[in-house]
Amino acid sequence: QQQVKQSPQSLIVQKGGISIINCAYENTAFDYFPWYQQFPGKGPALLIAIRPDVSEKKEGRFTISFNKSAKQFSLHIMDSQPGDSATYFCAASQASSNTGKLIFGQGTTLQVKP
Amino acid sequence: DADVTQTPRNRITKTGKRIMLECSQTKGHDRMYWYRQDPGLGLRLIYYSFDVKDINKGEISDGYSVSRQAQAKFSLSLESAIPNQTALYFCATSDFRAFAVSEQFFGPGTRLTVL
Repeated sequence: QQQVKQSPQSLIVQKGGISIINCAYENTAFDYFPWYQQFPGKGPALLIAIRPDVSEKKEGRFTISFNKSAKQFSLHIMDSQPGDSATYFCAASQASSNTGKLIFGQGTTLQVKP
Repeated sequence: DADVTQTPRNRITKTGKRIMLECSQTKGHDRMYWYRQDPGLGLRLIYYSFDVKDINKGEISDGYSVSRQAQAKFSLSLESAIPNQTALYFCATSDFRAFAVSEQFFGPGTRLTVL
């Protein structure tokens, strides 16, 4: 059972364009939604995260949009750069469980063409 | 020096062999995790540990075992490796925050191939 579904699996964007990656979750108890970025040969690293009490969070060129009623959230990368080429994972967690466990989506490989 | 290290970085083994993957951290975190990464499946949790005496199964623990030798060391064993355990394995650490989710810090990964 995949509790967090991520799409698309791969994405090609031209430099300067907007990259959009979508995730949907099933468990309404989830209350923390991070995005992790993974460069080839490296482990994932936290990029940005959101709690469901806000609908949007922006950090530089990266924005999370959150739709609680639809149980969906998305990552927008504005002015995409070749250096953004990486694999992106959405995740979800239940803070109140105190386990710290993250349920990851399937991952999206982003290629930004110069 | 890296905060979370994994050894070996690459390993090729044969079906039926026992293999151990090791993880060490210098971040002083109590919590440690083992994941496997497969194309199209993302990262899936194998085991996690809150401290030396507290080890828990993740969503795909069958065929794996772990040992938390110290706060800083968490090893993953495949008692009898099989080809479908070929994957990229990651160790991660985090600290504890009550009713909050801490950032997880990942090691560089171990690429395991089972022939």
